[in-house]
Amino acid sequence: GDSVIQMQGQVTLSENDFLFINCTYSTTGYPTLFWYVQYSGEGPQLLLQVTTANNKGSSRGFEATYDKGTTSFHLQKTSVQEIDSAVYYCAMRDTGANTGKLTFGHGTILRVHP
Amino acid sequence: AQTIHQWPVAEIKAVGSPLSLGCTIKGKSSPNLYWYWQATGGTLQQLFYSITVGQVESVVQLNLSASRPKDDQFILSTEKLLLSHSGFYLCAWSLGFSSAETLYFGSGTRLTVL
Repeated sequence: GDSVIQMQGQVTLSENDFLFINCTYSTTGYPTLFWYVQYSGEGPQLLLQVTTANNKGSSRGFEATYDKGTTSFHLQKTSVQEIDSAVYYCAMRDTGANTGKLTFGHGTILRVHP
Repeated sequence: AQTIHQWPVAEIKAVGSPLSLGCTIKGKSSPNLYWYWQATGGTLQQLFYSITVGQVESVVQLNLSASRPKDDQFILSTEKLLLSHSGFYLCAWSLGFSSAETLYFGSGTRLTVL
């Protein structure tokens, strides 16, 4: 079945540091890949999606790309701010699935110190 | 604009007691609806999805049931809670099942089973 591996459980940075979070995925289909952000006490909200390999998605200073060859996708931001502190989830939807199901990684807790 | 409202915000229940969680979507006709569950410290897992009124499909068996009595309402319930039901329950909607469809989440219900 589909799976998403998100290895970094927690990342601690200082403001203006560079952020890089990586995920790997496994599917027999053709995935669309997403990054969701979850602030404390709230539901996840879409940050970025990338439909085509080697294309970039960008939003709020974050960028995401995925590499079909290595079945990996990553999220990066050049200069993080304290307000970026949240949990970041990578997720995948297989284009062939007919359940609307998103397969999520385990999440990366980002803490940014001022 | 579409809004998604979940109730209650939090519940503390005893093992063996019944449970009913609700979700209402306003501003969107005939959305696809979903229930996701997030165990403490865990990732998000799809439980149910529904394409139309009266039709609900189960994705994971957790001794829970779901119903869609109205186009804009989704209910999650069980007659007997287990300790393992504790966690964060999220309702979500999307326009369809295509791979690029965004999933929009509610703010969630925090359930503690004692």
